[in-house]
Amino acid sequence: EDKVVQSPLSLVVHEGDTVTLNCSYEVTNFRSLLWYKQEKKAPTFLFMLTSSGIEKKSGRLSSILDKKELSSILNITATQTGDSAIYLCAVWDRDDKIIFGKGTRLHILP
Amino acid sequence: DAMVIQNPRYQVTQFGKPVTLSCSQTLNHNVMYWYQQKSSQAPKLLFHYYDKDFNNEADTPDNFQSRRPNTSFCFLDIRSPGLGDAAMYLCATSRETPGTGPEQFFGPGTRLTVL
Repeated sequence: EDKVVQSPLSLVVHEGDTVTLNCSYEVTNFRSLLWYKQEKKAPTFLFMLTSSGIEKKSGRLSSILDKKELSSILNITATQTGDSAIYLCAVWDRDDKIIFGKGTRLHILP
Repeated sequence: DAMVIQNPRYQVTQFGKPVTLSCSQTLNHNVMYWYQQKSSQAPKLLFHYYDKDFNNEADTPDNFQSRRPNTSFCFLDIRSPGLGDAAMYLCATSRETPGTGPEQFFGPGTRLTVL
């Protein structure tokens, strides 16, 4: 059965800290890995990763995929209270199915 | 602004009373998705349309049906809602073209309460 596992499930850090969120997957027909940020509303898209080893960056957020290890990390540097959210990892497979992990709940203390 | 709109934002229904949730988009995207998200859980895909091609997830209950009469609109029908169907229902769209991925645009969701 295809699955996506995220760790940690929750994380509390102080403003200014750097965090690394992990995502591993077992998906038969992998196409791409997706990261989303969810606050008190619908998820918003962050990154799509298809190729191994190529870092994607958006401001203080960056992510990279390791297809050999079947995993991805999402880094957030110099965290701010506005980064508090649930971060969802999902895998898009070649049958056009998107399988979500349970998410990492990140809380940034001022 | 181009967007994904869901109506209503909050829906209260009675146990067993059919309910329809709607989603419309002005993005002209060819793929539309319906997700169910229960409290503290990740969104779970119910079904998706690739143009008019309907794709049902294997574990989506028969109680859930969907219609897509045109590119812009998609409906989720729950024929006989049970208490376990209370959740947030998210609609999303994406444009699937070669070389791009499912950058999904989500609607704000409809929160369904079943009494």
